[in-house]
Amino acid sequence: GDSVTQMEGPVTLSEEAFLTINCTYTATGYPSLFWYVQYPGEGLQLLLKATKADDKGSNKGFEATYRKETTSFHLEKGSVQVSDSAVYFCALRASRTGGFKTIFGAGTRLFVKA
Amino acid sequence: NAGVTQTPKFQVLKTGQSMTLQCAQDMNHEYMSWYRQDPGMGLRLIHYSVGAGITDQGEVPNGYNVSRSTTEDFPLRLLSAAPSQTSVYFCASSPQDLDRGRNQPQHFGDGTRLSIL
Repeated sequence: GDSVTQMEGPVTLSEEAFLTINCTYTATGYPSLFWYVQYPGEGLQLLLKATKADDKGSNKGFEATYRKETTSFHLEKGSVQVSDSAVYFCALRASRTGGFKTIFGAGTRLFVKA
Repeated sequence: NAGVTQTPKFQVLKTGQSMTLQCAQDMNHEYMSWYRQDPGMGLRLIHYSVGAGITDQGEVPNGYNVSRSTTEDFPLRLLSAAPSQTSVYFCASSPQDLDRGRNQPQHFGDGTRLSIL
């Protein structure tokens, strides 16, 4: 079945460092790909999305490109801030044959030090 | 501008007790789902619904029941709580465009933190 694998955390960075969180997926058909962010005590919020191959999603300085050839959707940010400390989830949304279910990775906790 | 509202926010139960976690959305979304979040395991799908009167099982449905009598509400019932059901539960909703449903992100509530002793 469909699945998402993302790098284990926690990831600890200093402010202004470069961030990469790896995400790969397995899916039948043509899923859409998402990154969600979860701050302490809150639900998940959409960070960015990409709906077809070679699309780049971007928001708040974060970027991710839908790579069909490597089945990847890695999250990057050029200069992280303390306020970026959160848990990041990679997810795919299956096509009609998959019931449009959303499948999440295990999450990667990011700590950013001042 | 409520979005997805979950109640209660916290609950402690004893083994064997029953309870219902409430979820309501005011965005007229057809698609609603319940997830549980456990450390190191991400979010796992319990049940989902593509519209009023239609529900289906997700990845971990055992021990949980759902119903969808209206578009707005999607309650999750624990019939006989077990310690293994201690978790944080999230309800989510999204539009269900049958042609582009896969493109729609989920909108999440703030969660219900459930402890079963």
